[in-house]
Amino acid sequence: DIQMTQSPSSLSASVGDRVTITCRAGQNIGSYLNWYQQKPGRAPKLLIFAASNLQSGVPSRFRGSGSGTVFTLIISSLQPDDFATYYCEQSYTTLGTFGQGTKVEIK
Amino acid sequence: EVQLVQSGAEVKKPGESLKISCKGLGYSFALSRIGWVRQMPGKGPEWLGFIFPSDSDTRYSPSFQGQVTISADKSISTAYLQWNNLKTSDTAIYYCATRLQGNAAFNLWGPGTMVTVSS
Repeated sequence: DIQMTQSPSSLSASVGDRVTITCRAGQNIGSYLNWYQQKPGRAPKLLIFAASNLQSGVPSRFRGSGSGTVFTLIISSLQPDDFATYYCEQSYTTLGTFGQGTKVEIK
Repeated sequence: EVQLVQSGAEVKKPGESLKISCKGLGYSFALSRIGWVRQMPGKGPEWLGFIFPSDSDTRYSPSFQGQVTISADKSISTAYLQWNNLKTSDTAIYYCATRLQGNAAFNLWGPGTMVTVSS
């Protein structure tokens, strides 16, 4: 399995803040990196696919970047609806693996 | 509406069998792989495996090979996840998900099925 490591594990931020989440892969995965948002009691929701492509319907304040082993999810101006847990997922291998998650809480 | 509809919550005892379902609506079910994900309480998601409904080609995560069985009936647009010998450690929410329109990632998810295994 390719290990995916996210940092930080949690963060506190205010509405309007810029938030950055990092995901590191255990080996080179090219651009095979996706980002999901999950709220309590809900299924994960795809935000970004192939490292930097915004899923249809996702607000443009979400941006993904990176390639190889280091990837970043940026929320340019945090909104009340964005408080959730975020997961990266590598889809380089037949069955992907998720990071451990980053919980974004209200400051 | 394009959606995945999952079967309801289950409460089982260790050693029992269980089969949960995931029905695809509003899209060409046979043309898109269906994956199953486990999420244990307070933990991140984990892929169990996926199936191509068109030919039932199935792939399993090494961690779950032999522990679960994934199947599909394309005639009724339904995928299944089955256990023959449940353990308390199988307690989790199980999601099905699919890649619509050739997306590189799983962009449609079911609401999840809560499975509780307790003596």
